[in-house]
Amino acid sequence: DAGVIQSPRHEVTEMGQEVTLRCKPISGHNSLFWYRQTMMRGLELLIYFNNNVPIDDSGMPEDRFSAKMPNASFSTLKIQPSEPRDSAVYFCASSPRAGKASYEQYFGPGTRLTVT
Amino acid sequence: AQKVTQAQTEISVVEKEDVTLDCVYETRDTTYYLFWYKQPPSGELVFLIRRNSFDEQNEISGRYSWNFQKSTSSFNFTITASQVVDSAVYFCALSEVESGGSNYKLTFGKGTLLTVNP
Repeated sequence: DAGVIQSPRHEVTEMGQEVTLRCKPISGHNSLFWYRQTMMRGLELLIYFNNNVPIDDSGMPEDRFSAKMPNASFSTLKIQPSEPRDSAVYFCASSPRAGKASYEQYFGPGTRLTVT
Repeated sequence: AQKVTQAQTEISVVEKEDVTLDCVYETRDTTYYLFWYKQPPSGELVFLIRRNSFDEQNEISGRYSWNFQKSTSSFNFTITASQVVDSAVYFCALSEVESGGSNYKLTFGKGTLLTVNP
């Protein structure tokens, strides 16, 4: 079975440009999570969805960040406009049961974003 | 608020040595779940184990073993006879159910970089 799929794997863009990261969760999983990983702050939860509905976006750093999940098999994380401090690895993860703390999350390979 | 502390930032061992990675957590909930993830140099995060707060039995999987002790709020991870392929960053994580019981968050520790030298 395919795991969580993220695209692109690498993205280099200039400050001020719009960046869109994409994620396809594991089929049948009901929860989807977006994380950001940096050396300074480690792994941070940005937002998560249960059954395509955003539940908690308190981790989204500012209004420049937005996330959508139009259907069960696709989610996007958009940064507009991008800034150098947004440079990080962005992970998408999915989990089998919405709202169940007991279930592990399966992570995608990540998107390494560099904003110059 | 929940918190996970991995006090060891980096550990370096020689192949075949045993190594223990420490994890201490804080939570006010009585029901919670603990996880370990591995992040090899390739970058992906790989799930290793899940443990719930009501099950304090230690678990062994091949060369890996986990020691869960509620009395000290610790969930330590031991690799026996380490190998070069074990070199990775290892993350401990805690999941607790928020009020209302329908939502939850996974809080990660800062990770421990394990280097196994040949």
